[in-house]
This record gives sequence, C-alpha cells and structure tokens, in this order.
Amino acid sequence: QITLKESGPTLVKPTQTLTLTCTFSGFSLSTGGVGVGWIRQPPGKALEWLALIFWDDDKRYSPSLKTRLTITRDTSKNQVVLTMTNMDPVDTATYYCARWLTVTTMDSWGQGTLVTVSS
Amino acid sequence: QTVVTQEPSLTVSPGGTVTLTCASSTGAVTSAYYPNWFQQKPGQAPGALIYSTSNKHSWTPARFSGSLLGGKAALTLSGVQPEDEAEYYCLLYYDGVWVFGGGTKLTVL
Repeated sequence: QITLKESGPTLVKPTQTLTLTCTFSGFSLSTGGVGVGWIRQPPGKALEWLALIFWDDDKRYSPSLKTRLTITRDTSKNQVVLTMTNMDPVDTATYYCARWLTVTTMDSWGQGTLVTVSS
Repeated sequence: QTVVTQEPSLTVSPGGTVTLTCASSTGAVTSAYYPNWFQQKPGQAPGALIYSTSNKHSWTPARFSGSLLGGKAALTLSGVQPEDEAEYYCLLYYDGVWVFGGGTKLTVL
C-alpha cells in the first residue's frame, strides 16, 4: 500500500523559510522512473505544481517559484524535503506531496498539510 | 507563463454524459503533454483518475474516460452518478515542468 504524509509547521511568519517533509511508504525513490513532488492549493483556489525530484536526483521546479524552492531527498529515510524561502501571506495554502511514475503519471497523493503565513 | 484552461463549471443530470476539457495557451494539446486528470471532493486531497491522456488507474470507475478532442485533452463521464459531483483538475507536462488547469466544478443536478 502506497502512502505519503506531509509534515511541517502549520504557521510561519512572513520572510521566514518553510521546511516541509514528505514521508512515504510502499515504494522506493531508488526505483527507476519514480519521483516525489509537491503541489499546493490556496484556500478555495486551484492546484499549483511546485517541484519534483526523481529517482536519479533529477530536480524540476516551477519557473515562477524556482528561486525560492529547494527539493531534496533522503532515500534511506523514505523522505523528500521541500524548502521555500521568503514566505508571504499569499503562500498560505494546503501543501501536498505526491508520487510520480516517470513524467507521464502522478498516481498517489498525501493528505496535505495547511500552512498559514501570518505575523 | 503557460496557462491551462478548463471550464469553470458544468452541470449534468444524473445518468447523463458530460465532457470536461483542458486547453493549453501554447496551442493544441497532444499526447506528448501526458494529460492527467484528478478528482477532488470538498475537504479531501485530490485523487488520480486518468494518466497519459486515456489510461485509467486500477481504481478508476469505468464511466470515466480520457481522450484528445479538438486540440484539447478531455475527460468524459458517462452515466454520471451523484457522487461524481466534485472539482476536476487536469495536469499537463511541458518539457520538464507541469502545469495544472484552473479546475472545473461539476455539479450533478
């Protein structure tokens, strides 16, 4: 059974750096073609793809957020970490992690974690 | 900035058929965009329905199908059930990055 779960702070202050961890089970990020990525959804708004890391450490970022994002993996812990710098209230959203199978398929999502940016 | 456009809202009667579309600001959507479709119900995480244009996951109900239609990716629901009322999102691949559509709110009425 494939599971993904996001963890991290629920509240961050403007200008701070957000660090989120995705802990997964039921698959390995060492397997060819597998990737884990991040998506966010502001309250009442659409989904937005943020970043993705593949089994070979290939990393992809949303062009509009590239300068603020870093994605890393710890294969031994089955974790993927996303950091987002210079947080702003507009970054308030539910952040999801998800599994990719090559570039063609996103099949499994975590439950999401709500992050609020406020002073 | 690439924009992926979906119908903001659609309404369908129970038992009916409805097609949701997904258009790209860059031009016609082809299989090389590997369209994926997701369903999201209020308060829940999205769930995957379709990948690579028309492939169903093992859990996808048979009434859902994906295709390319008139230069867009399309999701067709045949024999709509009340539980299909939800927000639907498409996802397109652009040579190394992914872009979600704005979502379609499907009402079953």
